[in-house]
Amino acid sequence: AQSVTQPDIHITVSEGASLELRCNYSYGATPYLFWYVQSPGQGLQLLLKYFSGDTLVQGIKGFEAEFKRSQSSFNLRKPSVHWSDAAEYFCAVVILTGGGNKLTFGTGTQLKVEL
Amino acid sequence: GAVVSQHPSRVICKSGTSVKIECRSLDFQATTMFWYRQFPKQSLMLMATSNEGSKATYEQGVEKDKFLINHASLTLSTLTVTSAHPEDSSFYICSARRGASADTQYFGPGTRLTVL
Repeated sequence: AQSVTQPDIHITVSEGASLELRCNYSYGATPYLFWYVQSPGQGLQLLLKYFSGDTLVQGIKGFEAEFKRSQSSFNLRKPSVHWSDAAEYFCAVVILTGGGNKLTFGTGTQLKVEL
Repeated sequence: GAVVSQHPSRVICKSGTSVKIECRSLDFQATTMFWYRQFPKQSLMLMATSNEGSKATYEQGVEKDKFLINHASLTLSTLTVTSAHPEDSSFYICSARRGASADTQYFGPGTRLTVL
């Protein structure tokens, strides 16, 4: 069955340090991949997406992600974290189905930023 | 562009009453809207997919008579929680998709429902 795995439930980094959030997927075909961020009590904001083409994708707020087919991964990175980046991050994949194309989310990674 | 709003942002109701939540795409026409439920510190669970002018498709385990979805126009979908009970208390989030089947979903800010 198709699935999305975010191995890290919680991550703590110091402000200014680099960040990498892991995401692995299990999917038979080329997936459509997304990273969303959710602040407490808020909806989800799209950070970036990958459909095809260049495997290194640039997003908003200085984030980027790299699609690695050989590793079935789509890890999110940021070279220098800001305190305002503290939030919940969700990786998601579109599952193409006959009844409609659905987003399947990972379980999320809670990012804490230490000042 | 691609702004989705939800109303209300918070609602508290008594057990047994019904609550309606609106989801609007403000600057685009949404061919498909989705309704999710999120429990504290958990991921989003898809409840149903709604296409304008047709019946919603519910995920397994979601009671369609309990969670009524109407998608009467390309910019508005509503979720009505009927005869709400405390176990229905949750964070409900809608999203809207405007284009092709794999196009991006844009999410609303969510509605916090508390049933007393």
